Amino acid sequence: DVKVTQSSRYLVKRTGEKVFLECVQDMDHENMFWYRQDPGLGLRLIYFSYDVKMKEKGDIPEGYSVSREKKERFSLILESASTNQTSMYLCASGPFDRGFNQPQHFGDGTRLSIL
Amino acid sequence: AQTVTQSQPEMSVQEAETVTLSCTYDTSESNYYLFWYKQPPSRQMILVIRQEAYKQQNATENRFSVNFQKAAKSFSLKISDSQLGDTAMYFCAFMKPYPPTGANSKLTFGKGITLSVRP
Repeated sequence: DVKVTQSSRYLVKRTGEKVFLECVQDMDHENMFWYRQDPGLGLRLIYFSYDVKMKEKGDIPEGYSVSREKKERFSLILESASTNQTSMYLCASGPFDRGFNQPQHFGDGTRLSIL
Repeated sequence: AQTVTQSQPEMSVQEAETVTLSCTYDTSESNYYLFWYKQPPSRQMILVIRQEAYKQQNATENRFSVNFQKAAKSFSLKISDSQLGDTAMYFCAFMKPYPPTGANSKLTFGKGITLSVRP
């Protein structure tokens, strides 16, 4: 089974801190994604990556950056955390299968609170 | 840009009955993929079922089936013989078909619907 592991289930940080959320997948997937989930808004894509060192902005990239130095690891960085970034963050991965896009596999999520 | 609409925020169904969750989408693409994902309370999001737009036959996975109406851009999920374990948030999602860029591998999600199965 595909395993997508997020480093923390719950995280509490303070306004202005630099926050790192880590995600690791064990299936050699090319594609990795970071979503934010908020009540009434569903899942919104922050950033994604389809190769090492490659990244593309999603729908709501402001206030975030990402890093993908190794294929299995995709990090989300909040440069200077703000209270409006309190949310559930979901990481996902998926293969880059020519001819048919495969569904994504999700981690358990990190519930981040910014005080 | 694609949009996915789930207009019902909540639904409730009696155990063993059938329930249908609605989803509509908007796209100018002719070929694409549609998915239903399930997120149980405090648990991981998992894929329930998927449909390829160029296939006319509706997808089925055990008690889960879809009613895919391409012309109407509608993609509803039917859950038969509802079980308590079906209680979850359900998300409809859209994905463009693969071209030679990874950018099209991203999913566009609806806002989700909370389904409660009553014993």
